[in-house]
Amino acid sequence: AQTVTQSQPEMSVQEAETVTLSCTYDTSESDYYLFWYKQPPSRQMILVIRQEAYKQQNATENRFSVNFQKAAKSFSLKISDSQLGDAAMYFCAYCLRGGSEKLVFGKGTKLTVNP
Amino acid sequence: EPEVTQTPSHQVTQMGQEVILRCVPISNHLYFYWYRQILGQKVEFLVSFYNNEISEKSEIFDDQFSVERPDGSNFTLKIRSTKLEDSAMYFCASRELGGGNTDTQYFGPGTRLTVL
Repeated sequence: AQTVTQSQPEMSVQEAETVTLSCTYDTSESDYYLFWYKQPPSRQMILVIRQEAYKQQNATENRFSVNFQKAAKSFSLKISDSQLGDAAMYFCAYCLRGGSEKLVFGKGTKLTVNP
Repeated sequence: EPEVTQTPSHQVTQMGQEVILRCVPISNHLYFYWYRQILGQKVEFLVSFYNNEISEKSEIFDDQFSVERPDGSNFTLKIRSTKLEDSAMYFCASRELGGGNTDTQYFGPGTRLTVL
């Protein structure tokens, strides 16, 4: 079974600085997707960024970028120029391509942004 | 931008009662999901639904749970006899099938279920 591990239960960053959230996963498959979702205090799940495993190029979305290391099964999220609104729980998720494509989530990292 | 909606936002019920959680997926999406998040824990997959039938379900999704798409827009999760441990946030999600970002699931705002 696929598993997702987020080893940092909590992280903090100063406003305007950069922070990296770690995620590793375990799978024997080669065709899959990876996601980072943000969950603010409202508890809504908001998609931050996605990465297809077959793409070598790391995904970027404005201030958010990933470092995808397929061989190491690592998928970290970098947030640049952190803003107060970035404070939230961040969940890493894995999805095997094909079939139901259910998401398997990690336990999350709580990010605090200090002014 | 289209979004997934869920009602109610908060449901309080007595143990043993039946509850129905409702979701309206994005209109052109064909795959639907329910996930659960117990407070302070990770989000867990419950069930996926496609072409009017369950495509996959987790161990959590036992006989107390059922899903239905009663019409062209709603997608419901029914819990027949609620238990204290069913207290959680329930998220509905949907995705397209074929074309575009078919792999991306879009989540609703969730329904907080409290079982007393």
